[in-house]
Amino acid sequence: QVQLVQSGAEVKKPGASVKVSCKASGYTFTSYGISWVRQAPGQGLEWMGWISAYNGNTNYAQKLQGRVTMTTDTSTSTAYMELRSLRSDDTAVYYCARDPGSSHRSPLNNWFDPWGQGTLVTVSS
Amino acid sequence: EIVMTQSPATLSVSPGERATLSCRASQSVSSNLAWYQQKPGQAPRLLIYGASTRATGIPARFSGSGSGTEFTLTISSLQSEDFAVYYCQQYNNWPLTFGPGTKVDIK
Repeated sequence: QVQLVQSGAEVKKPGASVKVSCKASGYTFTSYGISWVRQAPGQGLEWMGWISAYNGNTNYAQKLQGRVTMTTDTSTSTAYMELRSLRSDDTAVYYCARDPGSSHRSPLNNWFDPWGQGTLVTVSS
Repeated sequence: EIVMTQSPATLSVSPGERATLSCRASQSVSSNLAWYQQKPGQAPRLLIYGASTRATGIPARFSGSGSGTEFTLTISSLQSEDFAVYYCQQYNNWPLTFGPGTKVDIK
């Protein structure tokens, strides 16, 4: 079955970086993209960005531009999300999700199914 | 950025009753809208995409309708496992955006 398994919880100090991994199985990795979505405690869902697993093209949420980098390793079917210069308001559960979208220019079929189990990132001094 | 709004914020429903959730977009998103269900401590689950197409394995009691700026998710007869938070999401324009969610709880 299609499954996304994320790396474990992280605790970071303000100003540090975090890199979360998302290992895919059960489908052809390069036939889909991966979106990353975060959820602050008790809050709603915030889309962070999308990466094509086929060619590495990306589209990032403007508010995170310059702090976030999404990559993929097709040899291991793993996606990565790195967030730098962490602040306390980056404390959240970070999810990866399989995304059928195929273009960074305009969205097309960019819904999310399935999702990883989530990775809690806590930013605290 | 397309702003998504959902109403009501909380919906109290008895088991077996019908629930109707609304989602509105600040500009037209055509039929490029998805619905998700999230239970406490769990990742969201895709219910509907294309405004009205049920995702694989989703029971027929879940249905979606609408296009343009107004959308509805209907749960025809609420089961105990349906009490959760429901989010809509548009994928017509970058950035992709979610509504704030509707919590469906037990009346």
